[in-house]
Amino acid sequence: AQKITQTQPGMFVQEKEAVTLDCTYDTSDPSYGLFWYKQPSSGEMIFLIYQGSYDQQNATEGRYSLNFQKARKSANLVISASQLGDSAMYFCAMREISSNTGKLIFGQGTTLQVKP
Amino acid sequence: NAGVTQTPKFQVLKTGQSMTLQCAQDMNHNSMYWYRQDPGMGLRLIYYSASEGTTDKGEVPNGYNVSRLNKREFSLRLESAAPSQTSVYFCASAEGAFAEAFFGQGTRLTVV
Repeated sequence: AQKITQTQPGMFVQEKEAVTLDCTYDTSDPSYGLFWYKQPSSGEMIFLIYQGSYDQQNATEGRYSLNFQKARKSANLVISASQLGDSAMYFCAMREISSNTGKLIFGQGTTLQVKP
Repeated sequence: NAGVTQTPKFQVLKTGQSMTLQCAQDMNHNSMYWYRQDPGMGLRLIYYSASEGTTDKGEVPNGYNVSRLNKREFSLRLESAAPSQTSVYFCASAEGAFAEAFFGQGTRLTVV
């Protein structure tokens, strides 16, 4: 069954340091997409980065990179050089592609606090 | 470009009342979704629609119904609201399987 797990309810990081937010997933579909979203305290959902199951390289978008380990079924988000504005909740999500239903499910989220 | 528009933004209902949350997107997306967000629970999928004319249950469909009125609009109906349905509701849309979903601003619903 399609499942996403984020085991870190809360994380702290010092400003300018890097931080890794964990995400593991479960699926029997060989073709799937993984997404990370940021939700600041204002409540909007902001898309950060995408990784396809067949992508050969880890995705990167500016200070965000995705550490994709397919065999371990993990898709951890790495934020480099943390900034105070990175303080937010972060969600990992997955969509199975072969089933063609477009069903998109989310993990429980990780709250990140960046300390000055 | 409005993106995904949800109405209303805030609503207070009494137990047993009914209401419909409206969602419209202007990006010509095929897929649309309804989620609820409760503290510590993340976003849980209520219903989704892979394309116009189709709807499917998500993780927590009980107590809700949906209508994919056309390609643009996807509404969520609470027939008899319960306090357990107090939550923030998000609508989202996506172009296809490989594309990110775009979210509305959310509806904060309180059932008393």
